[in-house]
Amino acid sequence: AQKITQTQPGMFVQEKEAVTLDCTYDTSDQSYGLFWYKQPSSGEMIFLIYQGSYDEQNATEGRYSLNFQKARKSANLVISASQLGDSAMYFCAMREGTGNQFYFGTGTSLTVIP
Amino acid sequence: DAGVIQSPRHEVTEMGQEVTLRCKPISGHDYLFWYRQTMMRGLELLIYFNNNVPIDDSGMPEDRFSAKMPNASFSTLKIQPSEPRDSAVYFCASRLEPGNTIYFGEGSWLTVV
Repeated sequence: AQKITQTQPGMFVQEKEAVTLDCTYDTSDQSYGLFWYKQPSSGEMIFLIYQGSYDEQNATEGRYSLNFQKARKSANLVISASQLGDSAMYFCAMREGTGNQFYFGTGTSLTVIP
Repeated sequence: DAGVIQSPRHEVTEMGQEVTLRCKPISGHDYLFWYRQTMMRGLELLIYFNNNVPIDDSGMPEDRFSAKMPNASFSTLKIQPSEPRDSAVYFCASRLEPGNTIYFGEGSWLTVV
């Protein structure tokens, strides 16, 4: 089974609107971490946000928030007030316990339309 | 603060040539990772180091690939001889224990013709 599943290959959003990028994960560990990274066309991988499995509050970082639903094993990224510069690939990732293997999804390509 | 620094950013080489990719992790970070990204396979962990010691190289595709970390601020990934199927983006990343997040460099885009 896939550890991380991103079912939206591509998404479009109007500038200034909010958008949700889906991510589901599969693990039997009680302790794990969930991450979102942004990869613009220039290629670098930029860390956006982190959620620990024991964190009771959803993580937020500026316009980014992580909608963490533990029972459903989902960790969706919400981007509020989309900007043209948000156009990029977005990857969801998971780290199990204290391991050093990060499992990445296949990514979602987001296009922000002016 | 300087992030993870990789060089070269782009490399085009001929099949059979040796390729060396370089990485400087974030100062003070004790874990260093090498990843490869391709359209077919996504992001794959090749090898990682802890305190300059290779811990897990099970992701290294074959003997043509080797990685070293002679000190805390420098690592290399070498491919010898290179083949067209090695064309990919190679990322270096680092982490500071007990932090959870790994921070990536800008990647080295390798094309083997």
